[in-house]
Amino acid sequence: EVQLVESGGGLVQPGGSLRLSCAASGFTFSNYWMTWVRQAPGKGLEWVANIKPDGSEKYYVDSVRGRFTISRDNARNSVYLQLNSLRAEETAVYYCAREGPPPDYWGQGTLVTVSS
Amino acid sequence: SYELTQPPSVSVSPGQTARITCSGDALPKKYAYWYQQKSGQAPVLVIYDDSKRPSGIPERFSGSSSGTMATLTISGAQVEDEADYYCYSTDSSGYQKVFGTGTKVTVL
Repeated sequence: EVQLVESGGGLVQPGGSLRLSCAASGFTFSNYWMTWVRQAPGKGLEWVANIKPDGSEKYYVDSVRGRFTISRDNARNSVYLQLNSLRAEETAVYYCAREGPPPDYWGQGTLVTVSS
Repeated sequence: SYELTQPPSVSVSPGQTARITCSGDALPKKYAYWYQQKSGQAPVLVIYDDSKRPSGIPERFSGSSSGTMATLTISGAQVEDEADYYCYSTDSSGYQKVFGTGTKVTVL
């Protein structure tokens, strides 16, 4: 059974940083692109970033490029999202997902709250 | 940046047909995908590659695409189909992914 479990969310001040983690199981992790998607409270889904199976290619939505970094560790079956210079409007549930493509299996998400 | 546009809401009576549209300039050359999201839950893929249905998704869900518009159809909508629905695709480069603006479907 495919499982994705996010962690690392929490309360952070504007301008602060967080590192999100996503632990994968139930499939051959090193064969799949992985994706992060976020959803602000009461708002729609927003694709944030994805990463190639070997980590050699990474893509970001324009609004986070230069501040967020996606990475992966295939030995640990994990994907990460480093969030820097966070803004209040980036308060959201952050989901990791496996790309079939498209994103076909999702975690339950981790909440990031950016507030002073 | 690339955008996919959906109607904010669609309402139908149980047993009727609901149609949700998704408009985007790259859709003539890129697949559309559809997700269902119920309150407090992660999204679930209901249609992939414009019109294919993943295993376990009821046959009443179907998809089509023509020109710059993709459509999700729920034939004989059930009360349990009440949810937010999002289309998903890529821009012409294939590297920038995007979700549609989302459509709230009400069945009552």
